[in-house]
Amino acid sequence: GAGVSQSPSNKVTEKGKDVELRCDPISGHTALYWYRQSLGQGLEFLIYFQGNSAPDKSGLPSDRFSAERTGGSVSTLTIQRTQQEDSAVYLCASSLWGVTEAFFGQGTRLTVV
Amino acid sequence: GIQVEQSPPDLILQEGANSTLRCNFSDSVNNLQWFHQNPWGQLINLFYIPSGTKQNGRLSATTVATERYSLLYISSSQTTDSGVYFCAVGGFGNEKLTFGTGTRLTIIP
Repeated sequence: GAGVSQSPSNKVTEKGKDVELRCDPISGHTALYWYRQSLGQGLEFLIYFQGNSAPDKSGLPSDRFSAERTGGSVSTLTIQRTQQEDSAVYLCASSLWGVTEAFFGQGTRLTVV
Repeated sequence: GIQVEQSPPDLILQEGANSTLRCNFSDSVNNLQWFHQNPWGQLINLFYIPSGTKQNGRLSATTVATERYSLLYISSSQTTDSGVYFCAVGGFGNEKLTFGTGTRLTIIP
């Protein structure tokens, strides 16, 4: 597609359930980023993939969070045993490579009830 | 990691006014972007500007990398300019984009 695509757009889940969020980057982009934005706040870095290098996981808030990127393209962010504080908008971005212009998807709004 | 500070945190202006938003960063960067987050939450790319000056219509940006700051200028503000403006930087050997806390701009008709 022409832009970064994220699915689902909205997700409501019960506390304690696992969720998977998907990101389809722009075709040919080797770098992929995940961020989290709580209501009225800035963007919190979660994880960064660049080509075949080991991902930078330094922003993952706990071991309940994990992400993978298959075949250097689609990425999935998984949150296990969701908590209410996980409620936020999860944003994905991609860029041609690490230091070039990044483009964001529309985000997934996660609500944990 | 790199620290990014944006000022002012909030700005309220009349339609037609000009504004300057500032982004300071703590280390050398090889990536700097300005984004506008609209009221629907979408991040719109404004400028990719690790150094130098660029202009796009009523908006322009300047990054002085040696002094570790960037400025975003908005002229003849319109109500559609309202939203939050973010600066994001990436450093040498630390390519992840680190975001500032943003400037919330409100343009009053």
